[in-house]
Amino acid sequence: AQKITQTQPGMFVQEKEAVTLDCTYDTSDPSYGLFWYKQPSSGEMIFLIYQGSYDQQNATEGRYSLNFQKARKSANLVISASQLGDSAMYFCAMREYNNNDMRFGAGTRLTVKP
Amino acid sequence: NAGVTQTPKFRVLKTGQSMTLLCAQDMNHEYMYWYRQDPGMGLRLIHYSVGEGTTAKGEVPDGYNVSRLKKQNFLLGLESAAPSQTSVYFCASSYAGTSTDTQYFGPGTRLTVL
Repeated sequence: AQKITQTQPGMFVQEKEAVTLDCTYDTSDPSYGLFWYKQPSSGEMIFLIYQGSYDQQNATEGRYSLNFQKARKSANLVISASQLGDSAMYFCAMREYNNNDMRFGAGTRLTVKP
Repeated sequence: NAGVTQTPKFRVLKTGQSMTLLCAQDMNHEYMYWYRQDPGMGLRLIHYSVGEGTTAKGEVPDGYNVSRLKKQNFLLGLESAAPSQTSVYFCASSYAGTSTDTQYFGPGTRLTVL
């Protein structure tokens, strides 16, 4: 069974600095996708970045990058040059190739300090 | 482009009452999903649909029913609401059901069962 672990309930970062949010996963399926979503205080779920298990390079989307270490089964989100608007809950999720059930971690609350 | 919309945004029910949550998407996606989000937890899949006229159970289906009579709509029903169903409900859709496919979420419905 697939499982997602986010070990940091809360993180603080100074504005303009970089921050890494941890995510580890467990699966026996060789084909899977990893996703990060942002949930601001307004409540909506915003897709940030995707990494496929067979992708050779780490995914990047603007200030977001995914540090994918397949052997360690980790998919950490790196946010560069943090902004006040980055303060939110961040969820890591995984979906196996033949499984319609996308599993989410418990989330990390990021607070950006001015 | 509206994306994924949900109605209502808020609802308060008494134990034993019934209600239906409506999800609509205008992206011509085949797959649609209903999740619930409880405090301190990530999202958990209730039911999903792989196309018009089809539905399937997710991780936590008990106490809920769904229908997908039209491709763009996915309804979630509670026949006899219980306090344990107090939660925030999210609908999502995706073009296909593969592990590479991003799910796009609606704004959520906050349901309280007294």
